[in-house]
Amino acid sequence: KQEVTQIPAALSVPEGENLVLNCSFTDSAIYNLQWFRQDPGKGLTSLLLIQSSQREQTSGRLNASLDKSSGRSTLYIAASQPGDSATYLCAVLSSARQLTFGSGTQLTVLP
Amino acid sequence: ETGVTQSPTHLIKTRGQQVTLRCSSQSGHNTVSWYQQALGQGPQFIFQYYREEENGRGNFPPRFSGLQFPNYSSELNVNALELDDSALYLCASSLEGVTSGKDEQFFGPGTRLTVL
Repeated sequence: KQEVTQIPAALSVPEGENLVLNCSFTDSAIYNLQWFRQDPGKGLTSLLLIQSSQREQTSGRLNASLDKSSGRSTLYIAASQPGDSATYLCAVLSSARQLTFGSGTQLTVLP
Repeated sequence: ETGVTQSPTHLIKTRGQQVTLRCSSQSGHNTVSWYQQALGQGPQFIFQYYREEENGRGNFPPRFSGLQFPNYSSELNVNALELDDSALYLCASSLEGVTSGKDEQFFGPGTRLTVL
């Protein structure tokens, strides 16, 4: 059974800092890995998707990497801003065609 | 391109009642997945519908059931509501059966269900 873990559970940083969010998964047989952003009480916004054959994806200030063999992914946020404050969720798509999510990292960027 | 929509936005029910939640998939998508997100947790997979058939199910009891219609929209039905069913219910659509696809799931805004 696929399990996804995200560390840390919460993170508070001053504006302008670069930061890294971590995600690990137990079964390397995945189709892809997605990083999502969730604002309080809202749905999920897809940030980046890395297919199993890829190593990383970049979008603006965000960079996500994938090491399938070790079951790890990182989301790097450069020059953080208060508007980046949200919960960040990592999810893997397994052979059962279902996404398995971590519990998320709650990020607060202080002005 | 129309995104994933869900209705209603919020819903309050009492224990024992039944509820129906609705989802319209993104234009061009043929698959709908439903997820339950309890407060402070990541979403949990309930089930997926592809071409009007259930195509996978998570660890949820039979009182959670669904439908997919010919236009690929979907309903989630929950019978005999329990207090623990209070959660955000998320619908995601995707395009399955295309081997060159990215297999990306796009989420709707969710329905907040409160069971009293």
